[in-house]
Amino acid sequence: SAVISQKPSRDICQRGTSLTIQCQVDSQVTMMFWYRQQPGQSLTLIATANQGSEATYESGFVIDKFPISRPNLTFSTLTVSNMSPEDSSIYLCSVDRPYNEQFFGPGTRLTVL
Amino acid sequence: QKEVEQNSGPLSVPEGAIASLNCTYSDRGSQSFFWYRQYSGKSPELIMFIYSNGDKEDGRFTAQLNKASQYVSLLIRDSQPSDSATYLCAPYGWGNQGGKLIFGQGTELSVKP
Repeated sequence: SAVISQKPSRDICQRGTSLTIQCQVDSQVTMMFWYRQQPGQSLTLIATANQGSEATYESGFVIDKFPISRPNLTFSTLTVSNMSPEDSSIYLCSVDRPYNEQFFGPGTRLTVL
Repeated sequence: QKEVEQNSGPLSVPEGAIASLNCTYSDRGSQSFFWYRQYSGKSPELIMFIYSNGDKEDGRFTAQLNKASQYVSLLIRDSQPSDSATYLCAPYGWGNQGGKLIFGQGTELSVKP
């Protein structure tokens, strides 16, 4: 497994503002993933972040709205831009391991007013 | 047809009984399958994975896989109230952007003392 931390753990933001979520892993990993979990829903993959390359976004998610950085093998950030109440969700980062299993961080609970 | 379908919940079982959680998937190319447990307000926790047809046992948990039927299940023996959570099935599939976990909508399990 891996020890993953996220900051902030929760935040309440005003519409139109942006929030950057940090994800830190205790060991080097090739791929990091960002998910969104809306209230009462399952996990939806936003994008995959590889170190040294542009993030790969899933259908329905765009870089202008969810810019991602991956400056090294243990760290990534996800920014939620120009937020609206529909962005209120839990945002989770995860890392993969050799057999494609993924381990998740504790999540960031975002409320947009 | 959804990519991953799980039996709708909530599933309620008495303490000590066997809980059976089912999952079907549409991607015949999926080779590995993961079961996650998610307690309310927490991030998903990996509990089992399986690659080969047949059964895989780990303590009170047994994962069953039938690739021909595109079916995977999780049995929890001697269910305990602490097993009450949402269980997420996640085949590793191949989308347009590469390999990724594809999560089902989850089955909520309630174990009654």
